[in-house]
Amino acid sequence: GAGVSQSPSNKVTEKGKDVELRCDPISGHTALYWYRQRLGQGLEFLIYFQGNSAPDKSGLPSDRFSAERTGESVSTLTIQRTQQEDSAVYLCASSLAPGQPRNQETQYFGPGTRLLVL
Amino acid sequence: KNQVEQSPQSLIILEGKNCTLQCNYTVSPFSNLRWYKQDTGRGPVSLTIMTFSENTKSNGRYTATLDADTKQSSLHITASQLSDSASYICVVSVGYGGSQGNLIFGKGTKLSVKP
Repeated sequence: GAGVSQSPSNKVTEKGKDVELRCDPISGHTALYWYRQRLGQGLEFLIYFQGNSAPDKSGLPSDRFSAERTGESVSTLTIQRTQQEDSAVYLCASSLAPGQPRNQETQYFGPGTRLLVL
Repeated sequence: KNQVEQSPQSLIILEGKNCTLQCNYTVSPFSNLRWYKQDTGRGPVSLTIMTFSENTKSNGRYTATLDADTKQSSLHITASQLSDSASYICVVSVGYGGSQGNLIFGKGTKLSVKP
């Protein structure tokens, strides 16, 4: 595709419900990242995929959060038993296979999913 | 503690004017620094990326500077346009590779360009 796409664009849910957020990265990008952006705050790293593996899950805030990726393509971020503090914009980004040094690769962001937990 | 602080928090300027946004960081070891532009309701878009040895980098009307000694960066916007209205985010990478969790994001400066 032309860019990173995410769905849904907006999600309103009730406290305690599970939600699933989807990210479709740029075709050919093997690296995929999830971030959270709370209102008025900077981006928080959640999880990073290289292919279908997640070498870094250090940013997941609790065991209610999980993510998977299949076919080195689409990824889903699942939040179980949502809480009001989960309300935020969830951003997905992708990049080409990391070169050296890895930190210099450019990440391309999707438009985000705005999650509101009532 | 690794931190990235940006100033001002918000800024209003008239179309055609120049402006400079600041980014101070306390990150070690430093790998590189990026500036992103984030339009309302959109994901961030990369503007520049600078490594330790680079002092300045331009992207059209955007010019970023980096002083690794004082751990400061600035983003200068020349001849501002209405479309420059956005949040500008400073991001610093920790270390020399490895996890993408080592990106430290600033909270951003919200720029409004008025006609």
